[in-house]
Amino acid sequence: NAGVTQTPKFQVLKTGQSMTLQCAQDMNHEYMSWYRQDPGMGLRLIHYSVGAGITDQGEVPNGYNVSRSTTEDFPLRLLSAAPSQTSVYFCASSYGIAGATDTQYFGPGTRLTVL
Amino acid sequence: QQPVQSPQAVILREGEDAVINCSSSKALYSVHWYRQKHGEAPVFLMILLKGGEQKGHEKISASFNEKKQQSSLYLTASQLSYSGTYFCGTEDGDSNYQLIWGAGTKLIIKP
Repeated sequence: NAGVTQTPKFQVLKTGQSMTLQCAQDMNHEYMSWYRQDPGMGLRLIHYSVGAGITDQGEVPNGYNVSRSTTEDFPLRLLSAAPSQTSVYFCASSYGIAGATDTQYFGPGTRLTVL
Repeated sequence: QQPVQSPQAVILREGEDAVINCSSSKALYSVHWYRQKHGEAPVFLMILLKGGEQKGHEKISASFNEKKQQSSLYLTASQLSYSGTYFCGTEDGDSNYQLIWGAGTKLIIKP
């Protein structure tokens, strides 16, 4: 199993550009989520999904969109990039709903810089 | 509300012990611990559930004091491989099954 994969690993954008961060998992997990990690602030939840066709907002959803058309894939779209979105983005998945009793498996991360 | 981790950083010699704390202002259902090495993804260590059940790592132990709304992670006889940043994630009645993460505790182990 590849686990959770993310592409790209690094990305530089100009302010106002849009892009999609890709996330896929091959563990048949229902729950998937996107976090951003900024220095000294830990992980903050952007959006999450409890199954195909179901998504919801997390703590910091503004400026990001998600969709979940399949169990395996959970892309994150930046609509109009801003320097405040410079961060490391992690995708994670778990068998059930995170926060119950489930281990989260994280992807390797995407390091995004917005100029 | 973000849980508070202490200390922010700790430096140890190999073989020494460390305790990392995670405190919340809310009643907690569960506390999750993860370790992240520099430039890598967080990796699961431990889940502690209200009621005392624990799931996790063989060589790392933890406690969950429900009354004090805090958890402690115990790293005994630390090894070089324990170096990294430790994060706690907490679940409470308002978090809608999601985890709220602390800012992390950086642990440096020297030979």
